[in-house]
This record gives sequence, structure tokens and C-alpha cells, in this order.
Amino acid sequence: EVELVESGGGLVKPGGSLRLSCAASGFTFSSYRMNWVRQAPGKGLEWVSSISSSSTYIYYADSVKGRFTISRDNAKNSLYLQMNSLRAEDTAIYYCAKVHIEAAGALDIWGQGTMVTVSS
Amino acid sequence: AIQMTQSPSSLSASVGDRVTITCRASQDIRDDLGWYQQKPGKAPKFLIYAASSLQSGVPSRFSGSGSGTDFTLTISSLQPEDFATYYCLQDYDYPCTFGQGTKLEIK
Repeated sequence: EVELVESGGGLVKPGGSLRLSCAASGFTFSSYRMNWVRQAPGKGLEWVSSISSSSTYIYYADSVKGRFTISRDNAKNSLYLQMNSLRAEDTAIYYCAKVHIEAAGALDIWGQGTMVTVSS
Repeated sequence: AIQMTQSPSSLSASVGDRVTITCRASQDIRDDLGWYQQKPGKAPKFLIYAASSLQSGVPSRFSGSGSGTDFTLTISSLQPEDFATYYCLQDYDYPCTFGQGTKLEIK
């Protein structure tokens, strides 16, 4: 079964750090671009970051650039998001998502999400 | 960044109705657009890619059309399980951007 499972969320104080993980199974992880998408409570979806299959091409939303770092370990079938200098506005459910086809708006597999709460 | 403007933001309809949701891009994005359905407390579900290609397993009552800047998602005959929030996503250029969502409610 194709599956993505996020972990690492929790409560953190403003200015703190957190590292999210996404474990992939059921597909050849090393062949696909991966994304992080977040959703603040009661709000819409916001794309956060993307990493190509070999980590060559990495992109970030302006809202997280310089604070968040996306990475992957193809040997461990895992995707990561290192989040530093966290702010209240980073409070959200964070989803990892697999790209089905490049340049087609196609995120075909999503994890269940992990909640990040930034609060003092 | 490319802006995606979805309309309407909310919509009331009845079972059996035909509904259309629109997404407009702030610049030409070819057909690099997908549609997603999200129910409360759940992850988004992938429906359509490349503007008009139906993802495997998605009911044929869902269809997508458009290219360039104007795109539509059509549900031909609403079923009870279709009441949800729908989003478009462009990945023509980074940063990728979602529309603000359309909440489809039961009339």
C-alpha cells in the first residue's frame, strides 16, 4: 500500500525549532519530487516547500524562506522539514505529498498530517 | 508569485445538481493545474491533474477543463459524498500556489 506518514509535530514556543519527518512506503521514493503543504486552523491550503528526487532542486514559499529547510534521505525513504525561528503564524497541520507528474498540479499521495502549534 | 483566484468561495447546491467551480490564474500557466477535494479533518484528495485528466479511481462525474488562465472543475450530478471544500493548485512556476478554496454545501 502506498503511504506517507508524518511525525514530529507538537507544541513549541515562538523562536523555537522543530523537525518534521515523513516516512514513505509502497512506492519508489527516490524517483519522485516531494512537497510539504500546510493548513492553518480553519484556513486554506498553503504550499510550503518542494524537493526534487535527487535533492538537486529545492524551492520554498516566501513565508518560510530562510527559516525552513527541506531535505530527504532516499536510503531511508524519508522526507524532512527543519523548522527554525518558528512564529505563531506557522501554526498549522503540515502534510507531506508526493508529486505524481511534474508541472501538472499533481500531488497524488498525501499523509495524514502532523500538527504544529507555536505558542508561549 | 502566481495568484490563483477561485470562485465562488462558497456554494449551496442539491443532490443531483450540476456545479462548476472556477479558478483563474494571474498569468498563463498552460495546463499545469490540479484540483483537490478536502473533507473536514481529512487530508486533501487528488482529483484532476493537467487541468483535465481524471486521476485513477475518481468518479467520472468529476471533470476539469481550461488552459492558460481560466480553469473549471465541474461535478455533473452531485452526490452526498461530494459536499466538501475544493482547491485548485498550480505548479507551473514556483512558489506553487493554491486557490483559496470553494466550500460546497448542501442546500
